[in-house]
Amino acid sequence: NAGVMQNPRHLVRRRGQEARLRCSPMKGHSHVYWYRQLPEEGLKFMVYLQKENIIDESGMPKERFSAEFPKEGPSILRIQQVVRGDSAAYFCASSPSGASQPQHFGDGTRLSIL
Amino acid sequence: AQTVTQSQPEMSVQEAETVTLSCTYDTSESNYYLFWYKQPPSRQMILVIRQEAYKQQNATENRFSVNFQKAAKSFSLKISDSQLGDTAMYFCAFMKHWRTSGSRLTFGEGTQLTVNP
Repeated sequence: NAGVMQNPRHLVRRRGQEARLRCSPMKGHSHVYWYRQLPEEGLKFMVYLQKENIIDESGMPKERFSAEFPKEGPSILRIQQVVRGDSAAYFCASSPSGASQPQHFGDGTRLSIL
Repeated sequence: AQTVTQSQPEMSVQEAETVTLSCTYDTSESNYYLFWYKQPPSRQMILVIRQEAYKQQNATENRFSVNFQKAAKSFSLKISDSQLGDTAMYFCAFMKHWRTSGSRLTFGEGTQLTVNP
Protein backbone atom coordinates (compact mmCIF):
# COMPACT_ATOMS: atom_id res chain seq x y z
CA ASN A 1 0.00 0.00 0.00
CA ALA A 2 1.62 3.17 -1.17
CA GLY A 3 1.32 6.09 1.18
CA VAL A 4 0.72 9.70 0.30
CA MET A 5 3.18 10.59 -2.46
CA GLN A 6 4.49 14.11 -2.83
CA ASN A 7 6.85 15.37 -5.46
CA PRO A 8 9.26 16.83 -5.79
CA ARG A 9 10.91 16.37 -2.39
CA HIS A 10 12.92 19.53 -2.90
CA LEU A 11 12.16 22.42 -5.22
CA VAL A 12 14.31 25.47 -5.81
CA ARG A 13 12.88 28.52 -7.52
CA ARG A 14 14.04 32.07 -8.13
CA ARG A 15 11.90 34.97 -7.03
CA GLY A 16 9.11 35.60 -9.54
CA GLN A 17 8.96 32.04 -10.86
CA GLU A 18 6.11 29.58 -10.43
CA ALA A 19 6.17 26.56 -8.13
CA ARG A 20 4.00 23.49 -8.65
CA LEU A 21 3.75 20.93 -5.89
CA ARG A 22 2.08 17.58 -6.50
CA CYS A 23 0.32 15.18 -4.16
CA SER A 24 -1.13 11.76 -4.87
CA PRO A 25 -3.32 10.59 -1.98
CA MET A 26 -3.32 7.11 -0.56
CA LYS A 27 -5.32 4.58 -2.52
CA GLY A 28 -8.99 4.86 -1.63
CA HIS A 29 -8.64 8.34 -0.13
CA SER A 30 -10.71 11.09 -1.69
CA HIS A 31 -9.92 13.96 0.70
CA VAL A 32 -6.72 15.99 0.37
CA TYR A 33 -5.35 18.67 2.68
CA TRP A 34 -2.38 21.01 2.23
CA TYR A 35 -0.42 22.41 5.15
CA ARG A 36 2.57 24.75 5.29
CA GLN A 37 5.37 24.58 7.83
CA LEU A 38 7.56 27.64 8.12
CA PRO A 39 11.01 27.18 9.71
CA GLU A 40 10.82 26.50 13.46
CA GLU A 41 7.01 26.56 13.43
CA GLY A 42 4.09 24.13 13.50
CA LEU A 43 1.99 23.18 10.51
CA LYS A 44 -0.66 25.62 9.35
CA PHE A 45 -3.71 24.55 7.36
CA MET A 46 -4.02 25.95 3.85
CA VAL A 47 -6.73 24.17 1.88
CA TYR A 48 -9.00 21.10 1.92
CA LEU A 49 -10.16 19.53 -1.34
CA GLN A 50 -12.23 16.65 -2.55
CA LYS A 51 -12.25 15.49 -6.16
CA GLU A 52 -12.99 18.53 -8.36
CA ASN A 53 -14.09 20.60 -5.36
CA ILE A 54 -12.45 23.02 -2.96
CA ILE A 55 -14.15 22.48 0.39
CA ASP A 56 -12.25 24.91 2.61
CA GLU A 57 -9.59 27.35 1.43
CA SER A 58 -9.72 29.66 4.42
CA GLY A 59 -6.03 29.11 5.19
CA MET A 60 -4.79 29.94 1.72
CA PRO A 61 -3.30 33.36 0.95
CA LYS A 62 -5.70 35.27 -1.30
CA GLU A 63 -3.15 36.03 -3.97
CA ARG A 64 -0.63 33.93 -5.88
CA PHE A 65 -1.75 30.60 -4.32
CA SER A 66 -4.18 28.14 -5.85
CA ALA A 67 -5.00 24.47 -5.46
CA GLU A 68 -6.83 21.86 -7.44
CA PHE A 69 -7.69 18.18 -7.20
CA PRO A 70 -8.89 17.08 -10.65
CA LYS A 71 -10.98 14.04 -11.41
CA GLU A 72 -7.89 12.32 -12.75
CA GLY A 73 -4.37 12.84 -11.49
CA PRO A 74 -2.75 14.32 -8.41
CA SER A 75 -3.68 17.36 -6.40
CA ILE A 76 -1.63 20.41 -7.33
CA LEU A 77 -0.65 23.35 -5.13
CA ARG A 78 0.46 26.21 -7.34
CA ILE A 79 2.35 29.29 -6.18
CA GLN A 80 2.79 32.04 -8.73
CA GLN A 81 5.48 34.74 -8.62
CA VAL A 82 7.18 33.21 -5.60
CA VAL A 83 8.81 35.40 -2.96
CA ARG A 84 11.40 34.59 -0.29
CA GLY A 85 8.66 34.28 2.35
CA ASP A 86 7.21 31.29 0.47
CA SER A 87 10.23 29.20 1.51
CA ALA A 88 8.79 26.44 3.66
CA ALA A 89 7.92 22.76 3.82
CA TYR A 90 4.58 22.01 2.21
CA PHE A 91 2.82 18.89 3.42
CA CYS A 92 -0.06 17.07 1.83
CA ALA A 93 -2.32 14.74 3.80
CA SER A 94 -5.17 12.51 2.74
CA SER A 95 -8.06 10.74 4.42
CA PRO A 96 -10.89 8.45 3.37
CA SER A 97 -14.35 9.84 2.73
CA GLY A 98 -16.95 9.98 5.46
CA ALA A 99 -16.86 11.28 9.00
CA SER A 100 -13.68 12.84 10.30
CA GLN A 101 -10.87 10.39 9.70
CA PRO A 102 -7.20 10.48 10.67
CA GLN A 103 -5.07 12.20 8.09
CA HIS A 104 -2.02 10.47 6.68
CA PHE A 105 0.83 12.71 5.62
CA GLY A 106 3.26 12.66 2.75
CA ASP A 107 6.95 13.39 3.26
CA GLY A 108 6.53 17.01 2.23
CA THR A 109 8.05 19.25 -0.42
CA ARG A 110 10.73 21.63 0.75
CA LEU A 111 10.50 24.81 -1.29
CA SER A 112 13.50 27.12 -1.35
CA ILE A 113 13.36 30.53 -2.98
CA LEU A 114 16.64 32.08 -4.14
CA ALA B 1 -11.70 29.23 16.12
CA GLN B 2 -9.73 26.55 17.86
CA THR B 3 -6.28 27.04 19.35
CA VAL B 4 -3.75 24.48 20.52
CA THR B 5 -0.96 25.37 22.95
CA GLN B 6 2.16 23.41 23.74
CA SER B 7 3.96 25.24 26.50
CA GLN B 8 7.19 23.21 26.43
CA PRO B 9 9.35 24.12 23.40
CA GLU B 10 12.01 21.56 24.40
CA MET B 11 12.28 18.57 26.69
CA SER B 12 14.83 15.88 27.30
CA VAL B 13 14.69 12.46 28.94
CA GLN B 14 17.10 9.63 29.64
CA GLU B 15 16.69 6.43 27.70
CA ALA B 16 14.26 3.98 29.38
CA GLU B 17 12.66 6.69 31.50
CA THR B 18 9.18 8.18 31.22
CA VAL B 19 8.34 11.64 29.93
CA THR B 20 5.10 13.61 29.64
CA LEU B 21 4.44 16.26 27.01
CA SER B 22 1.74 18.86 27.72
CA CYS B 23 -0.97 20.19 25.44
CA THR B 24 -3.97 22.41 26.10
CA TYR B 25 -6.58 23.54 23.64
CA ASP B 26 -9.46 25.94 23.42
CA THR B 27 -12.72 25.19 21.63
CA SER B 28 -16.45 25.67 21.93
CA GLU B 29 -17.10 22.37 20.17
CA SER B 30 -18.37 19.39 22.15
CA ASN B 31 -17.42 16.69 19.64
CA TYR B 32 -13.89 16.57 18.29
CA TYR B 33 -10.71 14.55 17.98
CA LEU B 34 -7.25 15.09 19.38
CA PHE B 35 -4.02 13.74 17.97
CA TRP B 36 -0.34 13.55 18.67
CA TYR B 37 1.94 13.52 15.63
CA LYS B 38 5.67 12.91 15.66
CA GLN B 39 8.13 14.57 13.27
CA PRO B 40 11.62 13.00 13.42
CA PRO B 41 14.66 14.59 11.77
CA SER B 42 13.55 13.03 8.48
CA ARG B 43 10.61 15.50 8.71
CA GLN B 44 7.93 12.92 8.06
CA MET B 45 4.68 13.45 9.97
CA ILE B 46 3.78 10.25 11.79
CA LEU B 47 0.51 9.71 13.65
CA VAL B 48 1.29 8.55 17.19
CA ILE B 49 -2.10 8.39 18.89
CA ARG B 50 -5.70 9.55 18.53
CA GLN B 51 -8.43 10.37 21.08
CA GLU B 52 -12.14 10.88 20.45
CA ALA B 53 -13.57 13.55 22.77
CA TYR B 54 -16.72 11.55 23.49
CA LYS B 55 -14.67 8.66 24.89
CA GLN B 56 -13.75 8.94 28.55
CA GLN B 57 -11.17 6.18 28.35
CA ASN B 58 -7.67 7.40 27.60
CA ALA B 59 -6.14 6.07 24.38
CA THR B 60 -3.01 3.92 24.49
CA GLU B 61 -0.67 2.66 21.77
CA ASN B 62 2.08 0.44 23.14
CA ARG B 63 4.49 2.78 25.01
CA PHE B 64 2.39 5.86 24.25
CA SER B 65 -0.64 6.90 26.27
CA VAL B 66 -2.61 10.07 26.80
CA ASN B 67 -4.19 11.79 29.77
CA PHE B 68 -7.31 13.42 28.36
CA GLN B 69 -9.05 15.87 30.69
CA LYS B 70 -12.01 17.23 28.73
CA ALA B 71 -13.21 19.73 31.32
CA ALA B 72 -9.72 21.17 31.67
CA LYS B 73 -9.15 20.97 27.88
CA SER B 74 -5.90 19.19 28.46
CA PHE B 75 -4.37 16.39 26.38
CA SER B 76 -0.93 15.25 27.54
CA LEU B 77 1.19 12.50 25.98
CA LYS B 78 3.12 10.05 28.13
CA ILE B 79 5.99 8.10 26.61
CA SER B 80 7.14 5.16 28.70
CA ASP B 81 10.47 3.37 28.39
CA SER B 82 11.80 6.12 26.13
CA GLN B 83 13.96 5.00 23.20
CA LEU B 84 16.53 6.88 21.16
CA GLY B 85 14.21 6.63 18.17
CA ASP B 86 11.62 8.69 20.04
CA THR B 87 13.78 11.78 19.52
CA ALA B 88 11.56 14.03 17.42
CA MET B 89 9.34 17.09 17.37
CA TYR B 90 5.93 16.21 18.79
CA PHE B 91 2.83 18.09 17.68
CA CYS B 92 -0.54 18.10 19.39
CA ALA B 93 -3.46 18.62 16.99
CA PHE B 94 -7.21 19.26 17.15
CA MET B 95 -9.85 18.27 14.61
CA LYS B 96 -13.50 19.21 14.75
CA HIS B 97 -15.91 16.34 14.13
CA TRP B 98 -18.06 16.43 11.06
CA ARG B 99 -20.54 13.62 10.53
CA THR B 100 -20.16 13.39 6.78
CA SER B 101 -17.01 15.21 5.88
CA GLY B 102 -13.37 15.68 6.66
CA SER B 103 -11.94 18.55 8.66
CA ARG B 104 -8.74 20.52 9.01
CA LEU B 105 -6.17 19.86 11.71
CA THR B 106 -5.11 22.69 13.99
CA PHE B 107 -1.60 22.13 15.31
CA GLY B 108 0.31 23.38 18.31
CA GLU B 109 3.79 24.83 17.90
CA GLY B 110 5.47 21.58 18.89
CA THR B 111 7.75 20.20 21.59
CA GLN B 112 11.24 19.04 20.65
CA LEU B 113 11.95 15.87 22.60
CA THR B 114 15.49 14.57 22.91
CA VAL B 115 16.15 11.11 24.32
CA ASN B 116 19.66 10.86 25.76
CA PRO B 117 21.60 7.60 25.96
